Amino acid sequence: DGGITQSPKYLFRKEGQNVTLSCEQNLNHDAMYWYRQDPGQGLRLIYYSQIVNDFQKGDIAEGYSVSREKKESFPLTVTSAQKNPTAFYLCASSYAGQRTVNEQFFGPGTRLTVL
Amino acid sequence: GQNIDQPTEMTATEGAIVQINCTYQTSGFNGLFWYQQHAGEAPTFLSYNVLDGLEEKGRFSSFLSRSKGYSYLLLKELQMKDSASYLCAALDSNYQLIWGAGTKLIIKP
Repeated sequence: DGGITQSPKYLFRKEGQNVTLSCEQNLNHDAMYWYRQDPGQGLRLIYYSQIVNDFQKGDIAEGYSVSREKKESFPLTVTSAQKNPTAFYLCASSYAGQRTVNEQFFGPGTRLTVL
Repeated sequence: GQNIDQPTEMTATEGAIVQINCTYQTSGFNGLFWYQQHAGEAPTFLSYNVLDGLEEKGRFSSFLSRSKGYSYLLLKELQMKDSASYLCAALDSNYQLIWGAGTKLIIKP
């Protein structure tokens, strides 16, 4: 079955630690995205990548980093510089294409809690 | 600035009809998406509108008025499983999605 997987589902981190969230897709999509979802707010774009070895900052990239070494994988690192990292993190993918309309498919999400 | 407004929460009765409204203000417009999200789960695609009018898909329909910056999602014959949040998202001139905060729909028996 094709889809997007995120791991782990729940993650606890001590303040000051970096943590990496995994996102893998086997849909053969070129574009991948990371969103953050907080209660009462819309999804906010952290980073996105249209092609391997290239990515762009979204609206709230500060304190986060990504890599796109393989088409299937787009891991997100939440660094200690992120002031309020507790949130629900969603990874998505879509067919590429700049300036085209493509439905985004979402992974099940990772709930990160900073203790 | 860019903005999407939708009600925070709505309540409806099983078997009834409910309309969830969404207004948008974006820099350019390339269409509007509706997604369904059950608590703690991934959003799933429901509909996409770029032309004015109503698009029907089973029990769900979505309407768009570009001149008014307005869309709605219509759910008929409500079932308990329809209890979820409904997210409205507009595609701006750069083909970036601008998301609303979502409308939590509570279905009562």
